[in-house]
Amino acid sequence: NAGVMQNPRHLVRRRGQEARLRCSPMKGHSHVYWYRQLPEEGLKFMVYLQKENIIDESGMPKERFSAEFPKEGPSILRIQQVVRGDSAAYFCASSPNPGTGGESSKNIQYFGAGTRLSVL
Amino acid sequence: AQKITQTQPGMFVQEKEAVTLDCTYDTSDQSYGLFWYKQPSSGEMIFLIYQGSYDEQNATEGRYSLNFQKARKSANLVISASQLGDSAMYFCAMREGLHGNNRLAFGKGNQVVVIP
Repeated sequence: NAGVMQNPRHLVRRRGQEARLRCSPMKGHSHVYWYRQLPEEGLKFMVYLQKENIIDESGMPKERFSAEFPKEGPSILRIQQVVRGDSAAYFCASSPNPGTGGESSKNIQYFGAGTRLSVL
Repeated sequence: AQKITQTQPGMFVQEKEAVTLDCTYDTSDQSYGLFWYKQPSSGEMIFLIYQGSYDEQNATEGRYSLNFQKARKSANLVISASQLGDSAMYFCAMREGLHGNNRLAFGKGNQVVVIP
């Protein structure tokens, strides 16, 4: 049973380029979350998505950042015109539908291994 | 305002000894969840243990236990019989509300180094 899969593990971009980070949730999970971790810091929430819906994007920067979770395929976090300050580790997590009761009610988020973005 | 506070400096722990990692939280919700994650040097985030605000018993998962003191708003992680593989950063996190608001707020982490 594969866990949350993120790719690439490492991504290097020059200033002004676009970065695309991919996340495939665990099998049976319909909720996806993106977090950002700066050096020496904890994770900061960015966005929460279900299939074809953005549920909460309160942590997303207003410009250059977007996220989607299409009906088919992985969730994508897109950063346009990257700047040095975007260098960070970006983590994706997934959880089951919390409304299904039992263990799912804990709504535990399981994380991928992260994508380390370096902007030159 | 910071919702999760982890203020201990880096800790060195002797192998086979127990270690307690402090976490205090701030919320006005009655229903919330508390989580601990481990981040080894390889970088992945590994879920360790969960405590619900209405759970009457302290959570336990193998060598991990959570010392939940609701009135003091603390959720300390106890690792018993430390192993070399326990060397990592440990993050406490909170989810406020029952459903709907699913985002986690993380603390800054505790660094643990287990020495033989």
